[in-house]
Amino acid sequence: DAGVIQSPRHEVTEMGQEVTLRCKPISGHNSLFWYRQTMMRGLELLIYFNNNVPIDDSGMPEDRFSAKMPNASFSTLKIQPSEPRDSAVYFCASSSTGGREKLFFGSGTQLSVL
Amino acid sequence: KQEVTQIPAALSVPEGENLVLNCSFTDSAIYNLQWFRQDPGKGLTSLLLIQSSQREQTSGRLNASLDKSSGRSTLYIAASQPGDSATYLCAVIQGGSEKLVFGKGTKLTVNP
Repeated sequence: DAGVIQSPRHEVTEMGQEVTLRCKPISGHNSLFWYRQTMMRGLELLIYFNNNVPIDDSGMPEDRFSAKMPNASFSTLKIQPSEPRDSAVYFCASSSTGGREKLFFGSGTQLSVL
Repeated sequence: KQEVTQIPAALSVPEGENLVLNCSFTDSAIYNLQWFRQDPGKGLTSLLLIQSSQREQTSGRLNASLDKSSGRSTLYIAASQPGDSATYLCAVIQGGSEKLVFGKGTKLTVNP
C-alpha cells in the first residue's frame, strides 16, 4: 500500500487566496483525520471523519476552514481566505477503527501564507 | 481538558547509550497511549500502542511503559544509534473519544 498520500507537499500563497489541501487515505481505512502542526501549539486535531461523515469539527479554527470527504478515498481541507497565521504543516491521517488503533500519517503539506 | 507534557524538549546522547523519554498526562481516564516518531519534513510513524489495561509494550530495542494511575509513560530506547535521531511524540485517547491529544515531543539526537 502507498500509505496516506497528501498533495501538494508545499504550498506558498498570498494572503486572501484560497488554498485547497488534498488527502487520499489508505484503502480500507474508514476514519480520516486532519491535523495542523506549529512550533507554538504542536499537533492539533482540526476535524475527523468516520465513514465519510464529519464527526467532530470542534478543532476547526474558524469559518474560513472547511473540510469535505465526498468518498472513502478522498478528502479536502480548504482555507478561504487564507491568512499568514494559517502557515503551518497540515497532516492527514487514517485508521481502520476510529482513532483507537494505530494512526497512519501522510507526509504533510507545508503551507506558507505571505 | 487533557494535557500531555513531554520532558525534556530536547536530548543529546552518545551512540550506544540507553535512554528514557518521559510523557505525562493530566487525566488518567485514557483509552490508550501511543508513541510516535517524526523525522524532519516527514509525517509521524506509530511506534508502540499501549492499551489502558496494559503495563508495557516492546518492539525491538524500544520498550514503552504505562502507569495510568500516575499519568505517566516512558519510552526506553536500548543501545541508541544515530538512526534513532528524530522527534518522539506521545499521544493519548480519552475513554469515550476518538481524538488523540499529543505532547509537543522530545527531539533526540544520537551522536556517532
